[in-house]
Amino acid sequence: AQTVTQSQPEMSVQEAETVTLSCTYDTSESDYYLFWYKQPPSRQMILVIRQEAYKQQNATENRFSVNFQKAAKSFSLKISDSQLGDAAMYFCAYRSAGTGTASKLTFGTGTRLQVTL
Amino acid sequence: NAGVMQNPRHLVRRRGQEARLRCSPMKGHSHVYWYRQLPEEGLKFMVYLQKENIIDESGMPKERFSAEFPKEGPSILRIQQVVRGDSAAYFCASSLIWDFNEQFFGPGTRLTVL
Repeated sequence: AQTVTQSQPEMSVQEAETVTLSCTYDTSESDYYLFWYKQPPSRQMILVIRQEAYKQQNATENRFSVNFQKAAKSFSLKISDSQLGDAAMYFCAYRSAGTGTASKLTFGTGTRLQVTL
Repeated sequence: NAGVMQNPRHLVRRRGQEARLRCSPMKGHSHVYWYRQLPEEGLKFMVYLQKENIIDESGMPKERFSAEFPKEGPSILRIQQVVRGDSAAYFCASSLIWDFNEQFFGPGTRLTVL
């Protein structure tokens, strides 16, 4: 079974600064997908960014980018120019590339990000 | 295009009662996933359904929990004889098809068992 580990329960960043959230995972599969979800106080899960394992290029979405190290099974999220609205819980998630029972998402325990003035 | 709808948003039950949580997927989506989030934890997969079929229920407790996604109407997660340990946020997600399409999440139902 796949596992996802987020070793930073809490992180803090000053507004306009850059912060990196860590995520490692364990799998024996070669093809899979990785995601970062944001959960603000409203509890709504919002997809921030996703990465296909077969792509070597790191995904980027505006101020959000990832550092995907397949051999190390590491998938960190970098938030540049942090804004107050970035304050939330961030979850790393894994999904197999297969069908049926492979469709579920496996989540880490989350990192709570605080953004200070 | 309305997003994933869940109701109720908050549900309070006494121990031993039944809880019914509803999820209406996005229009055109035929795949529904249920996840549970215990306080201060990540989301844990419970069950994956397509219309009228359970595809994967490996995360669902064997007793008291059941789920359905009928041909017509919302998906229902049913918890019989609730206990305090069932208190959690229950999230529903839907996707267009099984593959890499994004799972879109609903706002969740917070269940409190007194």
